[in-house]
Amino acid sequence: RKEVEQDPGPFNVPEGATVAFNCTYSNSASQSFFWYRQDCRKEPKLLMSVYSSGNEDGRFTAQLNRASQYISLLIRDSKLSDSATYLCAVNSGAGNNRKLIWGLGTSLAVNP
Amino acid sequence: DAEITQSPRHKITETGRQVTLACHQTWNHNNMFWYRQDLGHGLRLIHYSYGVHDTNKGEVSDGYSVSRSNTEDLPLTLESAASSQTSVYFCASSEPSVRRTSTDTQYFGPGTRLTVL
Repeated sequence: RKEVEQDPGPFNVPEGATVAFNCTYSNSASQSFFWYRQDCRKEPKLLMSVYSSGNEDGRFTAQLNRASQYISLLIRDSKLSDSATYLCAVNSGAGNNRKLIWGLGTSLAVNP
Repeated sequence: DAEITQSPRHKITETGRQVTLACHQTWNHNNMFWYRQDLGHGLRLIHYSYGVHDTNKGEVSDGYSVSRSNTEDLPLTLESAASSQTSVYFCASSEPSVRRTSTDTQYFGPGTRLTVL
């Protein structure tokens, strides 16, 4: 089993739809969780850190479920500009061995 | 504004040549990382550094080396380029946050697209 797994998609949704992605992780000791957005041929950009209590930023909501070891990203009222690949990242290790482990990404296409 | 830059943005080289990719950040971050991204494999960690003179191997370090002589720069060297090293290379940096739940947020450079013929 991979350390971090995501639905690859693609998710094709109409404008205005609500869409949710999940990301599962295997290391129960992980403490930091992130969602990044990556546009085609560009660098990943931080979308949200994921906190234990869940957090919301406009149309985007991130949740952490420690018991089932997954994080989720909910996008409400999808816009054409939300079309991108969404990467989740989870920390692993400690001290000089700490790093982020990345999922392969979930592709989202929002259609007019 | 503080930023992270990579150069060159595009590079074509021949098998067997030595290639160095530059990464420069002005955030004064202690932590710097090199990844490669290939279709079907996602972001894979090549090398990383947690401070000047510190370097560590990632999961795909064979054929690559780094050195950290100052805080701002972490150049990546391909000792003898191979066609399997054709990829997009991303540099990232981070600084541990005082908030435990947002530790090690990474910020990426624009990437270098390398083709080895």
